[in-house]
Amino acid sequence: GQQLNQSPQSMFIQEGEDVSMNCTSSSIFNTWLWYKQDPGEGPVLLIALYKAGELTSNGRLTAQFGITRKDSFLNISASIPSDVGIYFCAGRRLLEYGNKLVFGAGTILRVKS
Amino acid sequence: KAGVTQTPRYLIKTRGQQVTLSCSPISGHRSVSWYQQTPGQGLQFLFEYFSETQRNKGNFPGRFSGRQFSNSRSEMNVSTLELGDSALYLCASYTGLAGETQYFGPGTRLLVL
Repeated sequence: GQQLNQSPQSMFIQEGEDVSMNCTSSSIFNTWLWYKQDPGEGPVLLIALYKAGELTSNGRLTAQFGITRKDSFLNISASIPSDVGIYFCAGRRLLEYGNKLVFGAGTILRVKS
Repeated sequence: KAGVTQTPRYLIKTRGQQVTLSCSPISGHRSVSWYQQTPGQGLQFLFEYFSETQRNKGNFPGRFSGRQFSNSRSEMNVSTLELGDSALYLCASYTGLAGETQYFGPGTRLLVL
């Protein structure tokens, strides 16, 4: 089952609105990643975070690595119709050997134009 | 640079059969990981290979196996297929260096009847 708690499960928002989603865990992570997945495709990397407190932007997307190293959030500003999809957080646990990622259950984003 | 390629993209099998899926990583990447994605369990880690050696393994039965070749291409095999093995199987590649990010392929959609 899922080891990351991702919320909200789904969102239905107006075009132009800002969006926030987050992931929390009881474990400490040394990497947080945010992916977007479109139907029938593999996840596409949006933002990668490697340091506690790190705030990184990619266009209208901004993500932060929580200070406790147990959480991360993703913000999307001024949403547009092509933002529709499923957003996943993923993390690499501290002291985990190799590059195994654990994933959240995903946030389904629907935009009303 | 070409992305991660997976073949075949779609596959239909019947219970009891076996299946082999293939993944070609991004050129220069030496590590390949496999994930299973289902609506109920989300994205679950199967195994990771680096330089032809299995480096990490998830909690899947022994019917799931994999290997990596000297050119970094990887295959995964599922024997004695069960209905519950129906899923999207995703391959991710990365350089193998600590802290580097994984990039996913489009996946192989397996349907077991």
